Amino acid sequence: EVQMVESGGNLVRPGGSLRLSCSASGSSFKTYSMNWVRQVPGKGLEWISHISGNSDDVYYADSVKGRFTIARDNTRNLLFLQMNSLRGDDTAVYYCAREQLSSAIFDNWGQGTLVTVSS
Amino acid sequence: SSELTQDPAVSVALGQTVRVTCRGDSLRKYFASWYQQKPGQAPLLLIYGVHSRPSGIPARFSGSNSGDTASLTITGAQAEDEADYYCNSRDSTGKNYVVFGGGTKLTVL
Repeated sequence: EVQMVESGGNLVRPGGSLRLSCSASGSSFKTYSMNWVRQVPGKGLEWISHISGNSDDVYYADSVKGRFTIARDNTRNLLFLQMNSLRGDDTAVYYCAREQLSSAIFDNWGQGTLVTVSS
Repeated sequence: SSELTQDPAVSVALGQTVRVTCRGDSLRKYFASWYQQKPGQAPLLLIYGVHSRPSGIPARFSGSNSGDTASLTITGAQAEDEADYYCNSRDSTGKNYVVFGGGTKLTVL
């Protein structure tokens, strides 16, 4: 079974930067699109970014566009989210999620990593 | 609209049947997927492609759709089904790649 583990969450000041990582097990990582989804504690799920298997297609939610960058390293089965110009409303648990068939079917999720933006 | 709308809360008596709905224009073009999330846990895929279930998901969970509405039905709800349920789909407006519903809190009485 595929397992994904996020890391990199931390307390950061407004305006600061943070890079999240998601490590995936298995040999087929490069064949799947990957996404980042976040959840403010006590609130719902918010999709924030997608990257295709070969990195050709990248999408962002308006709430993070221009501030966050998604990337992947298929040689190391790693997914990244570079977060710049962080704001208080970016405080959330960030999940990486594997996507089936570019159809918004998120069949595997990491356990999440908490990002807190506060002075 | 790129939104998916869910009822914030639904309740069901133990052993009874409950339907959770998800409505939005994107569902006229794309299938919905359904996720279960329990406190402190990551979401779990329950239903995809309208009514397909991943391995290990009990058969009491089923999906359906009609027009702009997708439904998740739990037939014979169990105490362990008390959780938050989310739908999602591709966004037909092109504004976002994916949209999620706001979630439904299911209480099993």
